[in-house]
Amino acid sequence: SAVISQKPSRDICQRGTSLTIQCQVDSQVTMMFWYRQQPGQSLTLIATANQGSEATYESGFVIDKFPISRPNLTFSTLTVSNMSPEDSSIYLCSVEVGTDTQYFGPGTRLTVL
Amino acid sequence: GNSVTQMEGPVTLSEEAFLTINCTYTATGYPSLFWYVQYPGEGLQLLLKATKADDKGSNKGFEATYRKETTSFHLEKGSVQVSDSAVYFCALGGTTDSWGKLQFGAGTQVVVTP
Repeated sequence: SAVISQKPSRDICQRGTSLTIQCQVDSQVTMMFWYRQQPGQSLTLIATANQGSEATYESGFVIDKFPISRPNLTFSTLTVSNMSPEDSSIYLCSVEVGTDTQYFGPGTRLTVL
Repeated sequence: GNSVTQMEGPVTLSEEAFLTINCTYTATGYPSLFWYVQYPGEGLQLLLKATKADDKGSNKGFEATYRKETTSFHLEKGSVQVSDSAVYFCALGGTTDSWGKLQFGAGTQVVVTP
């Protein structure tokens, strides 16, 4: 398994601003993932972040809106840019350990006013 | 493409009742199957998994069997507790076209009353 922490755990932001979410894992992992969970909904994958390469974004998500950094094998950041109330969600990072199994962080609860 | 279908919630049960949450899937190849649980205000926790047909995953009194013939992975618990109140997500991964990504079902909210 893996122990994953995220910062901040929650935030309230004004529209038009940006927020950077940090994800730290206690061991080196190749694949990290960022998800969005809108209120009362399931998880939607935003992007896959592998160390040493550009993040791969899913359909409907773009780098200008959700830039991702992956500077090493234990850390990643997701920025939510130029926020609007529609960006209010829980943002979760996860890591792959072993074959196909993902472990999740506690999430960042974002409210945009 | 891959997809996961779960029974809709909320499912409301009394303590010590039997719980079943249905999950069926569509996938290319031979996926791995997972159940995750999300307690109120928390992230997702891996509950159990199965990687091949007829495998049974189990944890904390929960069980699920990978049924290839019915493309199902139903979650069961014989006697639920109030502390089992949460949202349960079925997911699949490990197909040749998934590239490590997981496909999640919509989630099923379970409410257990004393």
